[in-house]
Amino acid sequence: GQNIDQPTEMTATEGAIVQINCTYQTSGFNGLFWYQQHAGEAPTFLSYNVLDGLEEKGRFSSFLSRSKGYSYLLLKELQMKDSASYLCAVLESNYQLIWGAGTKLIIKP
Amino acid sequence: GAVVSQHPSRVICKSGTSVKIECRSLDFQATTMFWYRQFPKQSLMLMATSNEGSKATYEQGVEKDKFLINHASLTLSTLTVTSAHPEDSSFYICSAREGDRGDTGELFFGEGSRLTVL
Repeated sequence: GQNIDQPTEMTATEGAIVQINCTYQTSGFNGLFWYQQHAGEAPTFLSYNVLDGLEEKGRFSSFLSRSKGYSYLLLKELQMKDSASYLCAVLESNYQLIWGAGTKLIIKP
Repeated sequence: GAVVSQHPSRVICKSGTSVKIECRSLDFQATTMFWYRQFPKQSLMLMATSNEGSKATYEQGVEKDKFLINHASLTLSTLTVTSAHPEDSSFYICSAREGDRGDTGELFFGEGSRLTVL
């Protein structure tokens, strides 16, 4: 069956680093997305991984291991505006996106 | 990055009326558009996949006669909520993929439309 797991909530301190994990079991695999969503707004694209390894984009990095069905989103130099939900989503072989429930990240001063 | 525009951002209607939400890709052609619904504090739920020039593919449990989807051009898809009821109140979001079906292109999201049915 299809399943995507990520922690429900995480708390981190401003200026610190946080890693949000995502594990998945899906029908086929065409890539994994990370999206950021602030309350009441639509998700915004952060990253897309289809090959194993680490992709770095400024303060955000995303890692993928296809053999382990595992990804993480790494946020460095945390800012208060990074408080949001982070959604992991897998693109299946039929091009349907399977979404995780999201991880609510709380940043404290 | 590419831009997807969704309109209206907020709409309030009376029970029994129909509401149309538009989703436009402004600077790219979107062969495929997706419509999502999000209930408070829950993740996005895919309602249907809209392919230009063909009928939409609805997810299980989504009433196709109630949620009419039209993808008449490569830049516009519309979702019409027919005979809306208070339980249809939700946040509706569209997304569009840049590129062909054989391309795992990046998804871009509209701003979302918050529907309130009185």
